[in-house]
Amino acid sequence: AQKITQTQPGMFVQEKEAVTLDCTYDTSDPSYGLFWYKQPSSGEMIFLIYQGSYDQQNATEGRYSLNFQKARKSANLVISASQLGDSAMYFCAMLYYNQGGKLIFGQGTELSVKP
Amino acid sequence: GAVVSQHPSWVICKSGTSVKIECRSLDFQATTMFWYRQFPKQSLMLMATSNEGSKATYEQGVEKDKFLINHASLTLSTLTVTSAHPEDSSFYICSADYRDYNYGYTFGSGTRLTVV
Repeated sequence: AQKITQTQPGMFVQEKEAVTLDCTYDTSDPSYGLFWYKQPSSGEMIFLIYQGSYDQQNATEGRYSLNFQKARKSANLVISASQLGDSAMYFCAMLYYNQGGKLIFGQGTELSVKP
Repeated sequence: GAVVSQHPSWVICKSGTSVKIECRSLDFQATTMFWYRQFPKQSLMLMATSNEGSKATYEQGVEKDKFLINHASLTLSTLTVTSAHPEDSSFYICSADYRDYNYGYTFGSGTRLTVV
């Protein structure tokens, strides 16, 4: 079955430290995309970073980087220098090109940044 | 760019009534929109894929007669929850297919539905 898994329901990190949020996926499609979104308590979905299955290098966007290990089918999000405003739900999502471009989400990880 | 406006932000309705939620793409044409449902502290569950000018494609287990989706134009998709019951209370959020990877898929701000 095609699915995406986040095994950390909740994470704590000290302000200014780095944190890694785990995401594994399972698909038989050779072409897919992986996204990370942040959802604060307001409910809005904020795009953080994207990685394509054929991309050779790991994606980076400011303090966010995606540790893409294709053979292990993992796409972990690394947040460097955590800030209090980083406290939120984080979702990993997979784009299925061969299924009308739909985006399927993992269970989410609630990140809490401690001062 | 790539803004999706979703209305209403929140709505309270009586059990047995219907509620319509609108998603509009403001500065681009959205051929495809997706509708999700989210319970507190849970993931976004895809309900259906909405394509302009054609019938929506529903995910397994989603009642298409209860959750009516209409995508009559390239800028508007609507979700109508018919004969709402308290168990339909949830956060509903739409997303437009905007294949600009600088932004990913563009999401509406969500609608919090409470059925009393």
